[in-house]
Amino acid sequence: KAGVTQTPRYLIKTRGQQVTLSCSPISGHRSVSWYQQTPGQGLQFLFEYFSETQRNKGNFPGRFSGRQFSNSRSEMNVSTLELGDSALYLCASSISVRSDTQYFGPGTRLTVL
Amino acid sequence: KNEVEQSPQNLTAQEGEFITINCSYSVGISALHWLQQHPGGGIVSLFMLSSGKKKHGRLIATINIQEKHSSLHITASHPRDSAVYICAVSTNNDMRFGAGTRLTVKP
Repeated sequence: KAGVTQTPRYLIKTRGQQVTLSCSPISGHRSVSWYQQTPGQGLQFLFEYFSETQRNKGNFPGRFSGRQFSNSRSEMNVSTLELGDSALYLCASSISVRSDTQYFGPGTRLTVL
Repeated sequence: KNEVEQSPQNLTAQEGEFITINCSYSVGISALHWLQQHPGGGIVSLFMLSSGKKKHGRLIATINIQEKHSSLHITASHPRDSAVYICAVSTNNDMRFGAGTRLTVKP
């Protein structure tokens, strides 16, 4: 089975722009979660999707949004980028719920200039 | 105070040594995860625990729900075990992470 894939792997944007990141989960997995990792804050939960519905959202501003499609693929969007949004964005998929074993993608490294 | 605390923050060991990393949490959880992150960012899930003990090869993970504490043990450590080990807990609403333990195993 193919693992979790994320595109793009690297991205450079400037302040004020918006960005969309994509995540394709393992085939058969219906839950996708997104995380932000920074040197200062470590790993933080962004949101979780299951069957096209956002189940939970972490403590992030409304500039961070996401969605899940019927094939379980997920996208996250960050609008009006700020320098502090520079981070590694990871998605993880699991069979049904977040407490199941999570399978992580390689991440998208976003740099905001 | 972080709701998921790991210790130690950094650990250096000689090849072959027995290693223990500890994790304490202060929130209600549905599961606890031990993750391994190598340089470059890739994260691998090592264990998912809701009770008791699990073993996979040289790795052992235990959890004490009453004491809200988990340990990850590595027996016969090897330089390829060098990585950051992260404890994470699934709550009803989110997932919370410890700051990680950076392990270096020297040959």
